[in-house]
Amino acid sequence: DVKVTQSSRYLVKRTGEKVFLECVQDMDHENMFWYRQDPGLGLRLIYFSYDVKMKEKGDIPEGYSVSREKKERFSLILESASTNQTSMYLCASSGPVSNQPQHFGDGTRLSIL
Amino acid sequence: RKEVEQDPGPFNVPEGATVAFNCTYSNSASQSFFWYRQDCRKEPKLLMSVYSSGNEDGRFTAQLNRASQYISLLIRDSKLSDSATYLCVVNGGTYKYIFGTGTRLKVLA
Repeated sequence: DVKVTQSSRYLVKRTGEKVFLECVQDMDHENMFWYRQDPGLGLRLIYFSYDVKMKEKGDIPEGYSVSREKKERFSLILESASTNQTSMYLCASSGPVSNQPQHFGDGTRLSIL
Repeated sequence: RKEVEQDPGPFNVPEGATVAFNCTYSNSASQSFFWYRQDCRKEPKLLMSVYSSGNEDGRFTAQLNRASQYISLLIRDSKLSDSATYLCVVNGGTYKYIFGTGTRLKVLA
């Protein structure tokens, strides 16, 4: 079974802090994704990566950056956290072809105070 | 028009009932389709991929209708544990997974 592990289930940070969310997958997947999920809005793609050191903006990249230094690890960075970034953050990975589904980590529920 | 649309529900059904959800998509070039289940405050979990010929997994059956651009999920003999939100996902390219906002199912005792 695919295992996607996110570093924290719950996180509380203060406005202006730099926040790191980590994600590790064990299936040697090429593609990794960061989403946020908010009530009534569904999952929205922040960034994705299709290879080491490669990254592409998703639909809502503003206020976020990412890092992929190793194939198994994809980090999401909130450069200066704001209250409107309070959300559920979900990491996913998938194989190289489009008929392969995504597999999600447990999610990080982030609160910015 | 949204790229992927689902009826948000909730669908309230008694235990043992059969229930079906549809999901419509706008891009006729979409290549692959999936159903996920999401419990409250948890991550989405893959329920099944949807193949052109349709596929079945126990009490769950998924169908694809390319002509009318929708996929469906049928749940037979509903259990209390089936209560969840069911997300439809459409893939329009290797990196482009488009999620519906989900259909909420409540199975009642």
